[in-house]
Order: sequence, then C-alpha cells, then structure tokens
Amino acid sequence: DQQVKQNSPSLSVQEGRISILNCDYTNSMFDYFLWYKKYPAEGPTFLISISSIKDKNEDGRFTVFLNKSAKHLSLHIVPSQPGDSAVYFCAATYRGNNDMRFGAGTRLTVKP
Amino acid sequence: DTGVSQDPRHKITKRGQNVTFRCDPISEHNRLYWYRQTLGQGPEFLTYFQNEAQLEKSRLLSDRFSAERPKGSFSTLEIQRTEQGDSAMYLCASSFPGQGYNEQFFGPGTRLTVL
Repeated sequence: DQQVKQNSPSLSVQEGRISILNCDYTNSMFDYFLWYKKYPAEGPTFLISISSIKDKNEDGRFTVFLNKSAKHLSLHIVPSQPGDSAVYFCAATYRGNNDMRFGAGTRLTVKP
Repeated sequence: DTGVSQDPRHKITKRGQNVTFRCDPISEHNRLYWYRQTLGQGPEFLTYFQNEAQLEKSRLLSDRFSAERPKGSFSTLEIQRTEQGDSAMYLCASSFPGQGYNEQFFGPGTRLTVL
C-alpha cells in the first residue's frame, strides 16, 4: 500500500538550471509533507516541509509547492548545484500520527 | 557530534542468528523511531517510542523483532532467527515535539546482510 509515490527514479540536470522533483500521495488525511535528502552512507537529512494550509514554502534555493486537489507536491531547486546530487525522498504524515510514509526516492544528478 | 548515532554501521550474519542494533538519539529528543529501508525503496516505519514507552508498532514488525528503550535514552532493535529477507538498512530517527510537526533527524543507519 504505497501511499506516497515518486514516479521518477532519477533526474539529471545541468548545473545552474532548475531541478523539479515530483511526488504524489493518495491518503487524504495527510496534512504535512517533508522532503529529505540522502547522500550515500548517510541517513536522510531533513530539507524542507510544508503544511496543508499552505501551497508554497520557500527556503533559499529550495521551494516546495503543494496542490491539495491533485494530491501532488513538488520540490524546486534553483539554481541546481553539483552538491545537490543525492537521493531525494518525499514524506507525508498527519497530526497525531507517528507513521511517516516515504516515497521510493528520486536520484538527482547535477552535472557541472 | 550531537547527531543521531547508530552502532554497528554494518553487520553480516548467517541465517538463523540473532542480531542487535543500538541507536543513540539526540540527547534532548524524547521521541525515537526505527525504520527499515530496502534497495530502491524509501524508509518504512517499524516502531516508535516516546520516552521509554513503545507507543506504536507497524505490522512489518514481526514477532522476531523486538525493540526497547529502557531508560528513555538509547534504544536497541533485536532480530531473532534472522532470515535473508531481513537484509536491509535499519534507520533510527529522533524528534522533539517543540521542533515542529514531525521533523525527524536520522542516524546513518545499520546495514544488515543475512547470508
């Protein structure tokens, strides 16, 4: 029962361009969404989050957009840098729930 | 280093053996989580502690798995009679309610290989 889906296993972009990573969810109860970044041999690192009361949250080069009607969120990275190359996981949860559901991840490669 | 630490980082064992992993959360975090991650998948929730109380367990956590957090600080995850299907990365995370909705900080994981 995969409630959070990242349909693109990989994405390659040129340095300086925009990276757009997508995530879809099925559970209408989800009201909080997070993006984690994972480098090899390390655990996931929190990147940015968004509550369902918002449709956009921005932090420096990273912006997350939420479309509740489409049950879709996306992470924009602009400009992309080679150090952004990592696996990005989308995660979702809801108030009172401790079971955070993750997508399968998208491997981003930023080419110099 | 004040992050979440896990020990060991790698464990190779033979099928049928028992293994135990340890997680030390960030010191002021009262919530601790265990996840399992297999190749090509995201982390899957296993169980959750608030202080020393185990408040939630996933149906993924079979009877061969047991987790403890005896003093509300470090936690251990034991797998008895390991099977090849247990091979995975076991991740520990911790959080503190004051840090927002459910922002969890992850350790580096323990990679288990069952031969």
